[in-house]
Amino acid sequence: EVQLVDFGGGLVQPGGSLRLSCAASGFTFTTYCMHWVRQAPGKGLEWVANMKPDGSEQYYVDSVKGRFTISRDNAKNSLYLQMNSLRAEDTAVYYCARGGASRYAPFDIWGQGTMVTVSS
Amino acid sequence: DIVMTQSPDSLAVSLGERATINCKSSQSVLYSSNNKNYLAWYQQKPGQPPKLLIYWASTRESGVPDRFSGSGSGTDFALTISSLQAEDVAVYYCQQYYTIPPYTFGQGTKLEIK
Repeated sequence: EVQLVDFGGGLVQPGGSLRLSCAASGFTFTTYCMHWVRQAPGKGLEWVANMKPDGSEQYYVDSVKGRFTISRDNAKNSLYLQMNSLRAEDTAVYYCARGGASRYAPFDIWGQGTMVTVSS
Repeated sequence: DIVMTQSPDSLAVSLGERATINCKSSQSVLYSSNNKNYLAWYQQKPGQPPKLLIYWASTRESGVPDRFSGSGSGTDFALTISSLQAEDVAVYYCQQYYTIPPYTFGQGTKLEIK
């Protein structure tokens, strides 16, 4: 079964750090772009970051540039999001999602989401 | 950045009736070299992650019922549910994957039963 399991969320104080993980199974992880998408409580979807299959390039939404870092370990079929200098506005459910072999593809598989709450 | 605007924000339709959700992009998402529109539709039910329904504006994802269809080109698109079922109650999002980053979504349309 093709599956993404994302985890690592929790409660963190403003200015703190958190690392999210996403474990992939059931497909050849090394051939897909991977993404992080977030959804603030009661709000819509916001793309956060993505990484090419070989990890050579990564892209970010402007609001997280310089604070978040996406990475992947293809040997472990895993995607990560290191989040530093967290702000209240980063509070959201974070989903990992599978793209395509190219960056120009929709997101066809999603994790169940992991909640990040930034609050003192 | 391409801005995606959906209309309406919410919609109530009777069971068995047609539901149509519109999506407008601030720039064309049609790539003339391959004549493809880089536009997708997602369905999100409460407490669940989004689910891909339609890509390339009109191609149904495997397993999606044929009552769901996508149409449009360039900057104007629509998602149509031909005969609304109770299980179709959800929030629907359009997304462009043409001018990236960032990948941008519409604000969502909440579909309910009348």
